[in-house]
Amino acid sequence: NAGVTQTPKFRVLKTGQSMTLLCAQDMNHEYMYWYRQDPGMGLRLIHYSVGEGTTAKGEVPDGYNVSRLKKQNFLLGLESAAPSQTSVYFCASSPLGTSGRTADTQYFGPGTRLTVL
Amino acid sequence: DQQVKQNSPSLSVQEGRISILNCDYTNSMFDYFLWYKKYPAEGPTFLISISSIKDKNEDGRFTVFLNKSAKHLSLHIVPSQPGDSAVYFCAASGRSGGSNYKLTFGKGTLLTVNP
Repeated sequence: NAGVTQTPKFRVLKTGQSMTLLCAQDMNHEYMYWYRQDPGMGLRLIHYSVGEGTTAKGEVPDGYNVSRLKKQNFLLGLESAAPSQTSVYFCASSPLGTSGRTADTQYFGPGTRLTVL
Repeated sequence: DQQVKQNSPSLSVQEGRISILNCDYTNSMFDYFLWYKKYPAEGPTFLISISSIKDKNEDGRFTVFLNKSAKHLSLHIVPSQPGDSAVYFCAASGRSGGSNYKLTFGKGTLLTVNP
């Protein structure tokens, strides 16, 4: 059981280049999230999805786009990378909350370290 | 406006002693709280949670206390071990507007447990 996986683990981009980060989960979770972590800033939500085919903006969505074409995958795209997007990106997923607060507990991937020069 | 605050960026304790990590929140709609632990170069892992209907939840060496009137929660680790050295994030969620599936995180506290 791999849980949440992220591809790639590291990436260096030049300003203006584009790329896509892939997140995959094998836990059949309904909800998926993309966060960025910057020094002294904690984890900030970029975009999230409450189900296949749906996406919504989080706290810091500008400069990013997402897609959830399959339930198990959540893609984060940078169309024109900027140095301000240098960060560590984490994907997470959580199950549908059928009882209690199970949907609140998110499971994280190992992260992608992105540097934009 | 930071809704979840961890005012101590770092904490250092001796092995075997108690570690107390603190978290304050401002949003009255938060009703579920979680602690995550993060090692370098890894993703955060869920540690323990508490619902607002409780004031204490215990899991082995880890206990979370919630003081709703003060909008304050704390994580106690007893006894502390060197392997507990990590960044600890406090997170909160609330059911307002159906957003119970979103978490708001604090900035984290780096715990160092010295042998």
